[in-house]
Parts: sequence; structure tokens; C-alpha cells
Amino acid sequence: GAGVSQSPSNKVTEKGKDVELRCDPISGHTALYWYRQRLGQGLEFLIYFQGNSAPDKSGLPSDRFSAERTGESVSTLTIQRTQQEDSAVYLCASSPRGGGGTGELFFGEGSRLTVL
Amino acid sequence: KNEVEQSPQNLTAQEGEFITINCSYSVGISALHWLQQHPGGGIVSLFMLSSGKKKHGRLIATINIQEKHSSLHITASHPRDSAVYICAVTSGGSNYKLTFGKGTLLTVNP
Repeated sequence: GAGVSQSPSNKVTEKGKDVELRCDPISGHTALYWYRQRLGQGLEFLIYFQGNSAPDKSGLPSDRFSAERTGESVSTLTIQRTQQEDSAVYLCASSPRGGGGTGELFFGEGSRLTVL
Repeated sequence: KNEVEQSPQNLTAQEGEFITINCSYSVGISALHWLQQHPGGGIVSLFMLSSGKKKHGRLIATINIQEKHSSLHITASHPRDSAVYICAVTSGGSNYKLTFGKGTLLTVNP
């Protein structure tokens, strides 16, 4: 596809279950970001992948959160033993280069996670 | 840590009005983004700038580095401009880690 694709678009899960969220970036984009947006709050940085460099995981809120990226393609964000405070929209973005000051960001539609 | 403040939090306008949304930040930056988030969550990047002014259609973004302030202007506003507008900055030696404002909810009535 032409844009950033995320799946699932909606996920309802029970507290304590594991969830996996997927992001397909735009082909050729070397930079990939995960953000979290809680209801009524601003976006929070979670993790950044750039090419084959070690990812910046400094935004991950706890060790229940992990993310992987295969080369410069698909990324998965995994949340283990979900808690109610994990309920949020998880947004993925990609950029043709390192983002921020050096590249425009392209966002997916997000995955809305609800933990009951 | 950079603090990003947007004002106003909410803005209601009539179609055709000139709109201004403001963004202030506390620490020097390498770049500032303006993003648009429509109901349903999709986010679109409007501008990325580090100095001066950029224009795209009816949208204009300006930044004053000395005053640590940016504005987003919408001329001849239209109901389809209704969205949340988000300011985000990169700073602190990182050219990729964005700090986001909480957004400005704009409603343009016909």
C-alpha cells in the first residue's frame, strides 16, 4: 500500500493477556516510530528504529513492552500481561530518513487497545 | 526536557474566519512539526520547520527561534479544517525524539 498500515485497528482484551500490534511502514522508509496516545492526552514517544542501528527504547513505559523490527520493514509492538492503564491508541509512523529535524513523518491510522 | 504548550486548547470559529494556533516551547529545538489529527485518529504531517515561514494552500506556519514560539494560521477556514492541531518539537541533541503538545481542538462551523 501507499501509506503506513497498522493492525489490528481495534483490539479489546482482558487484563493479563498479551497483545501484539503490527506496523507496515512505507516501503523504503528507514525510520520507524511507535507512539502512544491515551484518551485526552498528547502523544508519547515509545520507541524508534533507524535502519540496522540499535533501537532507542527509552520511551517504553515498562518491561512488559517490547518491540521488534525486521530489517527496514514490518515492526511489532508487544505488550505482555496487559493492564488497564495500557488502554490507548498506539500509533506507528515512518520517515524516509531519521525523523525529527531531518524527515517528514507519515502516520498510520493507529491501533486502539482497550484492556478490560 | 522540553515543555510544549499550545493555545488555545479549544477554538470555535465561523466558516471564513482567520485562525491562529500558538505553540511555545521551553528549550531550543532542531525542528518543529505541525500535525493534524482528524476524528477517528488519523494524523497528517502539515509542516516541518526550523526557521522562518512555510505556506501550503490556506495554511501558513511561522517560527521565531529567539522567542521559542510558532504559530499555525488558517486563512478562509472551512468546516473540513475541523480537527486537532498538534505541535511537536525535537530537541536535546535528538533529531528524532519528538515532544508533543496536547493539541488544539478546532471546530469550524458553517
